[in-house]
Amino acid sequence: DAGVIQSPRHEVTEMGQEVTLRCKPISGHDYLFWYRQTMMRGLELLIYFNNNVPIDDSGMPEDRFSAKMPNASFSTLKIQPSEPRDSAVYFCASSPTGVVEKLFFGSGTQLSVL
Amino acid sequence: DAKTTQPPSMDCAEGRAANLPCNHSTISGNEYVYWYRQIHSQGPQYIIHGLKNNETNEMASLIITEDRKSSTLILPHATLRDTAVYYCIVYKLIFGTGTRLQVFP
Repeated sequence: DAGVIQSPRHEVTEMGQEVTLRCKPISGHDYLFWYRQTMMRGLELLIYFNNNVPIDDSGMPEDRFSAKMPNASFSTLKIQPSEPRDSAVYFCASSPTGVVEKLFFGSGTQLSVL
Repeated sequence: DAKTTQPPSMDCAEGRAANLPCNHSTISGNEYVYWYRQIHSQGPQYIIHGLKNNETNEMASLIITEDRKSSTLILPHATLRDTAVYYCIVYKLIFGTGTRLQVFP
C-alpha cells in the first residue's frame, strides 16, 4: 500500500499565479480531506469529500481556493490567484467508511508564494 | 473550537513511560477520542482511538476516565523517535495545538 500520495512535494510560485496541488487517496477509502498547516494557525481543515462529493467546505478561506474530486482516486486543490499569505504546508488525508476520523495523511506539499 | 485542552509541552527520559493528558470536558456521548502525532514536518500519524473503554495497540495505550471528560495517552517505553507533537481530537477532525513531547537521552 503506497499510502496517500501528494504532488508536488514543494512548490514555489509568484504572487498571482495559479497553483494546483494533487492528491491520490488510499484505494478503497471513501473520505478525502484537505488540510493547511502554518505556524500561526496550526492544522486547519479546509474541505472534505465523501464518495467524491464535497461535504463541508466551510474551512476554505476564500473564493480563490477551490477543490475537486473527479473520481475516487484523484483530487485537486487549486489556488487562483495565489498570494504570499497562502504559503503553508498543504496536507491531503483519506479515511475509510466506518472510521471516518482515522485519517491517513500524505507527506504534504510545501507551498511558497513569493 | 478544538474542544480539547492539552499541555503545550512535556519532557520524558528515554525508556520511561510518557503520559500525555487531554481534557475534553464537553465531549458528547457518541464522540470518540482520537490521538495523532506529527514528527517534524511529516503528515500527522494516527496512533489510537477509543470511546469509553481503555485501548491498547502496538504503539500506545489510551486511558479514558469513567466520566469521559479526560484521557491519557501512554507511550510505555519512550524512545528518541517518539519526539513529536501529539494531538488529541474529539470533534469534527479539528486539531488543536497539541503537546510537544521531547524525549531526551
